[in-house]
Amino acid sequence: SSELTQDPVVSVALGQTVNITCQGDSLRSNLASWYQQKSGQAPVLVIYGKNVRPSMIPDRFSGSSSGDTSSLTITGAQAEDEADYYCNSRGTGGNHVEFFGGGTKLTVL
Amino acid sequence: QVQLQESGPGLVKPSETLSLTCSVSGDSISGYYWTWIRQAPGKGLEWIGNVYHSGHTNCNPSLKSRVTISVDTSKNQFSLHLTAVTAADTAVYYCARDRPFRDAPFDHWGQGALVTVSS
Repeated sequence: SSELTQDPVVSVALGQTVNITCQGDSLRSNLASWYQQKSGQAPVLVIYGKNVRPSMIPDRFSGSSSGDTSSLTITGAQAEDEADYYCNSRGTGGNHVEFFGGGTKLTVL
Repeated sequence: QVQLQESGPGLVKPSETLSLTCSVSGDSISGYYWTWIRQAPGKGLEWIGNVYHSGHTNCNPSLKSRVTISVDTSKNQFSLHLTAVTAADTAVYYCARDRPFRDAPFDHWGQGALVTVSS
């Protein structure tokens, strides 16, 4: 299966650490990418590969993976981190097909 | 700085064809996969498919019978055609860039184009 599963809703207190997870068989052989989407805006890449951050992304964002699960960690969450977060990876077949997780709405309390 | 811009009709009638174009500036279209992704209102992201600069395409199996993606390297543009649309195809359509290596992310996105399917 190439389905990616995310918790629909996660909350974190301001300044605390939160993990957003993504689970799926395809993650045993592919690394996930993570995207942040704020209301009314296009998604923005925040983490890809083996914990690689694009230049404009704060270093409080990090990524990791183990087995069939990939995680996005925000260390010291800020109010501006409140957004929807999506994971993405290729499928398990030999063809180039991509999948997204259902998304996690992060609330910063 | 790479920029992508979607363009096309914002309203399409049921059973007709949705057509969108993505114009790429700031870099050549060669050497990358160029992708279409959509998001229905209040829903998550759905990968539609991509096209390599050579013209080779990959498509979401659930949409494959209705989707055509093409590239025009002379204009630095690529296009999406989705036939026989229904209300379920109402969404914001994004174009994005993907690199031709394993685990490559969508590193640049257009701002999105809302397409409504309605009579």
